[in-house]
Amino acid sequence: IAGITQAPTSQILAAGRRMTLRCTQDMRHNAMYWYRQDLGLGLRLIHYSNTAGTTGKGEVPDGYSVSRANTDDFPLTLASAVPSQTSVYFCASSDSKGGGLDEQFFGPGTRLTVL
Amino acid sequence: QKEVEQNSGPLSVPEGAIASLNCTYSDRGSQSFFWYRQYSGKSPELIMFIYSNGDKEDGRFTAQLNKASQYVSLLIRDSQPSDSATYLCAVPPRDNYGQNFVFGPGTRLSVLP
Repeated sequence: IAGITQAPTSQILAAGRRMTLRCTQDMRHNAMYWYRQDLGLGLRLIHYSNTAGTTGKGEVPDGYSVSRANTDDFPLTLASAVPSQTSVYFCASSDSKGGGLDEQFFGPGTRLTVL
Repeated sequence: QKEVEQNSGPLSVPEGAIASLNCTYSDRGSQSFFWYRQYSGKSPELIMFIYSNGDKEDGRFTAQLNKASQYVSLLIRDSQPSDSATYLCAVPPRDNYGQNFVFGPGTRLSVLP
């Protein structure tokens, strides 16, 4: 079934630990994104990648890093987790050609709690 | 910084009524607008998009765009309890890729049976 998968579904993590959230898409979309969603703040872009081999910073990149070694995978790493990173994380992808008409498809999300 | 604003709600309407969801945006140059629906605990899914002034209809959903007023709305006719969700307005970038795709905070809709 085509789409985006994320792992894990949920995770409780001790502060200071390193954590990688995984995201894989099989739609051959060139662009991929990581968002965090917090109550009252909506979706905020953490990092994005327009194509394999390139990445960029979004609105809230501090404390997070990403890599895009191939088209399908876009992992998000928290080097040293802090409680303020408790959130729901969504990975998304789009067949982005610019022009402002590119639908983003979202994965099911990862609920992360940092204690 | 592009901003997208929505009333957080909750907006409560009785079953069968018209639900009206509103969104304003700050970037006068924005050309297109997306409406996403997000059920509780689920991921956002696209309902429709609009890029021309006026109305665009898709089944029970109608998007309305007024670029002069920087205002976009979503009307849901014959509202059903299954429409109860959070509705996100989103403004994609004009000419870059998706890094400037901005989402509003969402309006929570509750359709009462």
